[in-house]
Amino acid sequence: DAKTTQPNSMESNEEEPVHLPCNHSTISGTDYIHWYRQLPSQGPEYVIHGLTSNVNNRMASLAIAEDRKSSTLILHRATLRDAAVYYCIRRGGTGGFKTIFGAGTRLFVKA
Amino acid sequence: NAGVTQTPKFQVLKTGQSMTLQCAQDMNHNSMYWYRQDPGMGLRLIYYSASEGTTDKGEVPNGYNVSRLNKREFSLRLESAAPSQTSVYFCASSQGQGWSSYEQYFGPGTRLTVT
Repeated sequence: DAKTTQPNSMESNEEEPVHLPCNHSTISGTDYIHWYRQLPSQGPEYVIHGLTSNVNNRMASLAIAEDRKSSTLILHRATLRDAAVYYCIRRGGTGGFKTIFGAGTRLFVKA
Repeated sequence: NAGVTQTPKFQVLKTGQSMTLQCAQDMNHNSMYWYRQDPGMGLRLIYYSASEGTTDKGEVPNGYNVSRLNKREFSLRLESAAPSQTSVYFCASSQGQGWSSYEQYFGPGTRLTVT
């Protein structure tokens, strides 16, 4: 199964860090972990991706467990504009091009 | 640089009518995709085109056809629309060639209602 498991929703306070977890216990060695987010009434937007090592970019950090069965997207300082649905996706390996989006985690940010 | 563009933005069809959703990208990407998103759900892949001249079925291809017209354009056709095809349709593209490591860029979506 190429799906990942994420909590349905999470809540954060503005200006605080947010850790969004994702479980991908059946991941294969060639699968990349991608994160996208979708703001209301918009198309998904790429956030970050990685294979084995932790990754940082201007938007977020991605922490990948040593066994690669889970990962965490870290938003260092949540803003109201970060309120969105966050999708954790496996790409590659047996899934091929058939990228599977689950229901994602809806992040609520309180002022 | 417009990224991924989709037309139309909104469409209402009657059951049995046909229509084509257009998608174009100006990033010289090899791979293009069509997804649908039903209310409160994640995206489901309808068809994809790994490179110019090739197309393949995704998760939910029934009732749809696609054409990769050239490297820039990838269209989705509904031959006989059904109410179950009411959804938001997203087109995406990615650089491909070692595709699993490349991010996808999405268009703004087409909101289709079939009555």
